[in-house]
Amino acid sequence: DAKTTQPPSMDCAEGRAANLPCNHSTISGNEYVYWYRQIHSQGPQYIIHGLKNNETNEMASLIITEDRKSSTLILPHATLRDTAVYYCIVKPLSSQGGSEKLVFGKGTKLTVNP
Amino acid sequence: AAGVIQSPRHLIKEKRETATLKCYPIPRHDTVYWYQQGPGQDPQFLISFYEKMQSDKGSIPDRFSAQQFSDYHSELNMSSLELGDSALYFCASSLGYQGNTIYFGEGSWLTVV
Repeated sequence: DAKTTQPPSMDCAEGRAANLPCNHSTISGNEYVYWYRQIHSQGPQYIIHGLKNNETNEMASLIITEDRKSSTLILPHATLRDTAVYYCIVKPLSSQGGSEKLVFGKGTKLTVNP
Repeated sequence: AAGVIQSPRHLIKEKRETATLKCYPIPRHDTVYWYQQGPGQDPQFLISFYEKMQSDKGSIPDRFSAQQFSDYHSELNMSSLELGDSALYFCASSLGYQGNTIYFGEGSWLTVV
């Protein structure tokens, strides 16, 4: 079962920052927070992941609270092409190959408006 | 950069027929995952392979089977197809374990009529 809670939908104006929250209050010490997005009927696309420190890449920033019970994905300047379902997923490290499947929850449907 | 390749992209089959989907992971990736996404649903994990051995199993019907070959490509075989098997099937791959990122293909659309 998914271990995260996300709002079902959010809206954002084009050019503004989109802040997508995620609650993962039962996260364990060895679990990472991953974000993927799925643009309509395309394959899920990796965005970013982190353990406890904030992370930034060319797509987004990930802010993880100090207690690690929640996180926020930030798209700094949303465009129409960022309209997608965004999934926050916690995933443990595993000592056994192939056991680190992603368990998708409901995700947040982000709509970027012109 | 090379991505996960899935074929065919679209497939139409009749009830009770058999279908085979193929997945070619990113070069050097040794782990393959299969997911099923029904209409309006979120992706559901079916099965995974690491180094050609099944490593994890999810909600895969008994009518479905899969394997990973010596060149690391994988095939998902679906028999006695039912209308409810109509879905988008994703393959994903990663390198080993210990937190390596999982990358998805664009999916194979299966329509059962």
